[in-house]
Amino acid sequence: GAVVSQHPSRVICKSGTSVKIECRSLDFQATTMFWYRQFPKQSLMLMATSNEGSKATYEQGVEKDKFLINHASLTLSTLTVTSAHPEDSSFYICSARSTGDNSPLHFGNGTRLTVT
Amino acid sequence: AQSVTQLDSHVSVSEGTPVLLRCNYSSSYSPSLFWYVQHPNKGLQLLLKYTSAATLVKGINGFEAEFKKSETSFHLTKPSAHMSDAAEYFCVVSGITGGFKTIFGAGTRLFVKA
Repeated sequence: GAVVSQHPSRVICKSGTSVKIECRSLDFQATTMFWYRQFPKQSLMLMATSNEGSKATYEQGVEKDKFLINHASLTLSTLTVTSAHPEDSSFYICSARSTGDNSPLHFGNGTRLTVT
Repeated sequence: AQSVTQLDSHVSVSEGTPVLLRCNYSSSYSPSLFWYVQHPNKGLQLLLKYTSAATLVKGINGFEAEFKKSETSFHLTKPSAHMSDAAEYFCVVSGITGGFKTIFGAGTRLFVKA
């Protein structure tokens, strides 16, 4: 079945540094990928929609300059948390659809970001 | 307004007993519906999906769900709970709004007692 790989699974960084998270579709091409943030014991919050070859579409309230998204190829999207602060500590999950707009989302295993 | 409601934030069952996780949605369209499971510090795994075919949908690990349009419900069931079923479950709806935006329910935490 469709597989989405997310890397790293865990990362600890210091305040002020930047962290890049990669999301890859391993056996299908994904023109659209999605980035979510999940707070403890809460549901997923859509941060942005990543479109291959064009700018990402950000949800209201998500800072574009802080959460940089690059979708350079049909199998790779990256999320960079710039100038990280402790409040950015969270669980970040990416997803992609394998075919068509209404097919199920396939999720990566998530990245636990801790900013010290 | 379109929405997805998971009626229980927590459900606790004994091992070997049935599981019922409830989900209701409101929509002006015919949506596609999904159930996902999330184990601690993990991504989400698709359990099953409904996309306007058979109303009773069978998924992995013995789970199934029935789409009831008249009740706008898509409850998740399993005849006999296993300890490994303890996790967070999300009801997800796609296609409610234009552009097939995906909407997540708040989640239901399933506890399984020995």
